[in-house]
Amino acid sequence: NAGVTQTPKFQVLKTGQSMTLQCAQDMNHEYMSWYRQDPGMGLRLIHYSVGAGITDQGEVPNGYNVSRSTTEDFPLRLLSAAPSQTSVYFCASSLLQGFQETQYFGPGTRLLVL
Amino acid sequence: QQQVKQSPQSLIVQKGGISIINCAYENTAFDYFPWYQQFPGKGPALLIAIRPDVSEKKEGRFTISFNKSAKQFSLHIMDSQPGDSATYFCAGGTGGFKTIFGAGTRLFVKA
Repeated sequence: NAGVTQTPKFQVLKTGQSMTLQCAQDMNHEYMSWYRQDPGMGLRLIHYSVGAGITDQGEVPNGYNVSRSTTEDFPLRLLSAAPSQTSVYFCASSLLQGFQETQYFGPGTRLLVL
Repeated sequence: QQQVKQSPQSLIVQKGGISIINCAYENTAFDYFPWYQQFPGKGPALLIAIRPDVSEKKEGRFTISFNKSAKQFSLHIMDSQPGDSATYFCAGGTGGFKTIFGAGTRLFVKA
């Protein structure tokens, strides 16, 4: 049981390039989400999904696309990278246990856009 | 618009002391208030959580106090240890899923 895995761990992009951050979970969780973490700003929700084929926008969705074709995978696509997208990106999956939502986070992807 | 405001930004506590982190929220639709702990280079991990119909929840050395009328909640870490040194995030969730985080508090416990 690997939990939530993210690839790559670190990536350098040039402005205007596109790329996909991969996220996978093996816990059969319905809910998955993407956050970005910037100093002094905590974690900000980019996009989330409540199940395969269903996605929605979070707090800061501009410049990012997501899709959810399977329960296990939730990739995040940067369409045209900008220096403002330099950040650490975390993927999370959620299990509802009674009232309590337990989000399990991946180890993160550090992205540098030059 | 910051829906969850967290303070202080950083905190230094002596070993054995009490660490207190405060949060205030704006969205009255929040029905779930978790606290996450993050160590450097790692993803956040759920520490403790509370629902708004409960005023206090204790798990070991960690206690959440919740004041619904003031829209405030806080984390108390009793008998703080150097191993508690980490960044702590409060958050508010809606519908058990869409979670909005505070800016985080960096805690350092001096040995």
